[in-house]
Amino acid sequence: KAGVTQTPRYLIKTRGQQVTLSCSPISGHRSVSWYQQTPGQGLQFLFEYFSETQRNKGNFPGRFSGRQFSNSRSEMNVSTLELGDSALYLCASSLLAGGSSGNTIYFGEGSWLTVV
Amino acid sequence: GIQVEQSPPDLILQEGANSTLRCNFSDSVNNLQWFHQNPWGQLINLFYIPSGTKQNGRLSATTVATERYSLLYISSSQTTDSGVYFCAVELYNQGGKLIFGQGTELSVKP
Repeated sequence: KAGVTQTPRYLIKTRGQQVTLSCSPISGHRSVSWYQQTPGQGLQFLFEYFSETQRNKGNFPGRFSGRQFSNSRSEMNVSTLELGDSALYLCASSLLAGGSSGNTIYFGEGSWLTVV
Repeated sequence: GIQVEQSPPDLILQEGANSTLRCNFSDSVNNLQWFHQNPWGQLINLFYIPSGTKQNGRLSATTVATERYSLLYISSSQTTDSGVYFCAVELYNQGGKLIFGQGTELSVKP
């Protein structure tokens, strides 16, 4: 079955613009989480959604937001882009809610965002 | 907060050699997973291993939860094993949030 699909794969935006990234989880998976990866900070948790509810949120400013739809697909939005938002944004899905025993997490290929 | 430390930070091997990567964590965890990040950025799940030992082909992993460390063994390394290996933990009261180590960058030379 198909893995976690993220679109777009690559994008370039200008400071001040906003961006929306999309994630389709593995079929049947109801949990979607988002991570930001930068050379300086490594991999950092953004948020987790399960059944359209945000269950956990990382330490990022309010410019970062997300949502999950009834079909488990998720989007994340970054408004008023800053140069420091340039990063690889990774989406992950799992069958169960985060914290459940045996809950293996699978990642997509990521969306490379460059802010100029 | 919890600290997740991986060692070594970098490792260069000749094809066919064996290696051991280590992950230390500073608090009790609900979940521990090992990932391999390929050159295109994708994180490939290797093991879900909050405790015990698992093997998958040339790879195996052991987590000793009481001593707060995990080991990833790579035997008979191949050039395709190159990339960055991450361990990530999940705390009991923060389900859904993986906390990653800084990774071990492995380079396997032919």
